[in-house]
Amino acid sequence: AQKITQTQPGMFVQEKEAVTLDCTYDTSDPSYGLFWYKQPSSGEMIFLIYQGSYDQQNATEGRYSLNFQKARKSANLVISASQLGDSAMYFCAMREGSRSGSNYKLTFGKGTLLTVNP
Amino acid sequence: DAGITQSPRHKVTETGTPVTLRCHQTENHRYMYWYRQDPGHGLRLIHYSYGVKDTDKGEVSDGYSVSRSKTEDFLLTLESATSSQTSVYFCAIGIGTSGSTDTQYFGPGTRLTVL
Repeated sequence: AQKITQTQPGMFVQEKEAVTLDCTYDTSDPSYGLFWYKQPSSGEMIFLIYQGSYDQQNATEGRYSLNFQKARKSANLVISASQLGDSAMYFCAMREGSRSGSNYKLTFGKGTLLTVNP
Repeated sequence: DAGITQSPRHKVTETGTPVTLRCHQTENHRYMYWYRQDPGHGLRLIHYSYGVKDTDKGEVSDGYSVSRSKTEDFLLTLESATSSQTSVYFCAIGIGTSGSTDTQYFGPGTRLTVL
């Protein structure tokens, strides 16, 4: 079974509108972290936002927020006021915390390609 | 900018030849990682290092070896390249207080083609 599932291969949004990118995860570890990365067409991987499994509040970083629903095992990325420069591939990733050796590995989803239309 | 460089940025080689990719960081972070990115797979961990001469395998380590003789450099070696190792290789460093809580920041990537 996949540990990170991103069900939207592609998404389109109008400039200045908000968009939600879905991510569900699967783990039995009580301690884990969830990450979102952006990969523009130039290829670099850019860290956007982090949510820890014990964090009480949803993480926010500027226009990015993470809608963390622990019971549903979802960690959706919300981008407010989309900009043309937000067009990129977005990856959700998880690090499981307690098993020896596994806590250094990020497990990535397959990504969602977001296109922002003017 | 996390101060990570990778070299070379692009390489074309032939099956059976050895290849070494270099990751260099400027800030003396303890944890470094090598990932590969392939279409339909996201990124997958090859090897990681938690200090000088301290390395361990990731989920796709077969056919790869690593070395870390200095804090700032983490080398990935393909002893005998195969076409299945054609990929984009990313180095990452962990920035934080420990390996298990670090946020990983990525280098620019190396595109390797094995003919």
